[in-house]
Amino acid sequence: SQQGEEDPQALSIQEGENATMNCSYKTSINNLQWYRQNSGRGLVHLILIRSNEREKHSGRLRVTLDTSKKSSSLLITASRAADTASYFCATVARMDSSYKLIFGSGTRLLVRP
Amino acid sequence: DTGVSQNPRHKITKRGQNVTFRCDPISEHNRLYWYRQTLGQGPEFLTYFQNEAQLEKSRLLSDRFSAERPKGSFSTLEIQRTEQGDSAMYLCASSLIGQGLTDEQFFGPGTRLTVL
Repeated sequence: SQQGEEDPQALSIQEGENATMNCSYKTSINNLQWYRQNSGRGLVHLILIRSNEREKHSGRLRVTLDTSKKSSSLLITASRAADTASYFCATVARMDSSYKLIFGSGTRLLVRP
Repeated sequence: DTGVSQNPRHKITKRGQNVTFRCDPISEHNRLYWYRQTLGQGPEFLTYFQNEAQLEKSRLLSDRFSAERPKGSFSTLEIQRTEQGDSAMYLCASSLIGQGLTDEQFFGPGTRLTVL
């Protein structure tokens, strides 16, 4: 079973608009990461936010983390057609020395040119 | 190419056959993970190695599955007596423990298994 749920499951926007994806999780975490996956391909690491951080930026990406609500959001600003992909949040549980990733079910983003 | 590689990229097999996949991690990485991903879902953890030692196995890894990392470098994942439910993308990732606090995992392109 998976740790988290992404919301929405699918999102369609026009190029240039912002895309916001949300992730909820269940247990205490060490960190939360966002990954991107193009259709049928491997995963690409986008950004990591630690449990003691509340917000992080990387280029057009902004991630927030609310540990009291066990939720995170990923904002992609000024979207491009090339951003079309599935986006997954993944958590590393606190005190888990394996650092295995527990993934959500993903948000499928379509950016229309 | 210095990333994680996986072979084969695609495998089609008949039910009951055995299959083996290979993962070559980034050369200096000491941790190697296997995940399985079914259509429309996120990846699910199967097992991981630190160097050559297999330290954790998921309940998803039935006794038909076996993974090895004999010299602490490449790894193989074997599925015996395949079933249609084994059809999935098998993803390998590697990381270098101790690299700051991130322990970022780098994923390979995956092996897509189809069991007929």
